[in-house]
Amino acid sequence: DAKTTQPTSMDCAEGRAANLPCNHSTISGNEYVYWYRQIHSQGPQYIIHGLKNNETNEMASLIITEDRKSSTLILPHATLRDTAVYYCIVRVGTQGGSEKLVFGKGTKLTVNP
Amino acid sequence: GAGVSQSPSNKVTEKGKDVELRCDPISGHTALYWYRQSLGQGLEFLIYFQGNSAPDKSGLPSDRFSAERTGGSVSTLTIQRTQQEDSAVYLCASSHAGALGNIQYFGAGTRLSVL
Repeated sequence: DAKTTQPTSMDCAEGRAANLPCNHSTISGNEYVYWYRQIHSQGPQYIIHGLKNNETNEMASLIITEDRKSSTLILPHATLRDTAVYYCIVRVGTQGGSEKLVFGKGTKLTVNP
Repeated sequence: GAGVSQSPSNKVTEKGKDVELRCDPISGHTALYWYRQSLGQGLEFLIYFQGNSAPDKSGLPSDRFSAERTGGSVSTLTIQRTQQEDSAVYLCASSHAGALGNIQYFGAGTRLSVL
């Protein structure tokens, strides 16, 4: 079973920030938080991952609480093309091993014009 | 190549027929994964290959499903005696298992329809 809890759906206005929450209260010390998204009819796309520090890349920012029991993915200026299902996944991020991704239901983000 | 390539993109078959789905991973990636996504469902892990190690087949739903990876590169997922419940999108992903983060990159998938 997925180790994360996410809202089923969210809406965001185009140009505004989209903040997607994720609860992972049973996360282990060696588990990372990964975010993927799946745009309709495409394969999942990696967005960002982190262990305990906040992370930022060209796509998004990841804010992880100090106790690591929850996190928020931030899309700073959402566009219509960001409409997708967003998956929050926790897993060991080190090399080796069968670290398959366990996908939950994700959050369906709809960006409205 | 630039990304993970899967073929065919769509496959329609009759119940009871065998099908083969192909995956070309990103060059140099040592790990390869197969997942499937049924209509309205989440992604389900099927099988994992890592170098020359024995594959992790723990996600294969039945013995009608098998996969191989030849030469550590291209992989083929075979479904024998297809059933209607096998209809799904089959997704392949690859990763450079030696890299920190072990990020998996996905192909666009093969949409299988069993009539």
